[in-house]
Amino acid sequence: QKEVEQDPGPLSVPEGAIVSLNCTYSNSAFQYFMWYRQYSRKGPELLMYTYSSGNKEDGRFTAQVDKSSKYISLFIRDSQPSDSATYLCAPGTDSSYKLIFGSGTRLLVRP
Amino acid sequence: NAGVMQNPRHLVRRRGQEARLRCSPMKGHSHVYWYRQLPEEGLKFMVYLQKENIIDESGMPKERFSAEFPKEGPSILRIQQVVRGDSAAYFCASSPGGLSSYEQYFGPGTRLTVT
Repeated sequence: QKEVEQDPGPLSVPEGAIVSLNCTYSNSAFQYFMWYRQYSRKGPELLMYTYSSGNKEDGRFTAQVDKSSKYISLFIRDSQPSDSATYLCAPGTDSSYKLIFGSGTRLLVRP
Repeated sequence: NAGVMQNPRHLVRRRGQEARLRCSPMKGHSHVYWYRQLPEEGLKFMVYLQKENIIDESGMPKERFSAEFPKEGPSILRIQQVVRGDSAAYFCASSPGGLSSYEQYFGPGTRLTVT
């Protein structure tokens, strides 16, 4: 079993839709939960992150962590064609700063 | 306000040659991380360095790969005697360290092709 699992997609939605992107993980020691966006042939771009459980909101993006079920979510409101990219979740622990990346979910927002 | 810089962006090497990948962290960042992304796979951690120190190299292959982050100059990831399986995108990230070490900002990557 991989430490971090993501549905690879592609997930295709119409412009303006609410998008839900999810990860599951197996290591209960994870405390940091990062979300990155990666456009084709570019470097990952840090979108937002949470520490431990709870929600965090930043503009159209909301990150949610449920440690009891080891489930991480990223919600995108009012999705735009420019949101079309691969979204990577990447948790980490307090004791090591290496991030464990999921394989990414490819999102396509149709105009 | 330059971000993480990596060069070269593309590198072609024949089997058996050496590859040197360079990474300059963001201004004010003293921690550097290298990750590798194989085709159709996620990013895999390779090594974590601070100036003149390797902190965690648990993701580095045991042979042919080495990394350094000297007191002056960029961090270098060196691959000796490259093989076709080394073809991948290599990303460098940097962070400010301390409590913000998990905030890793990535460069554009170096795409290595071994022919």
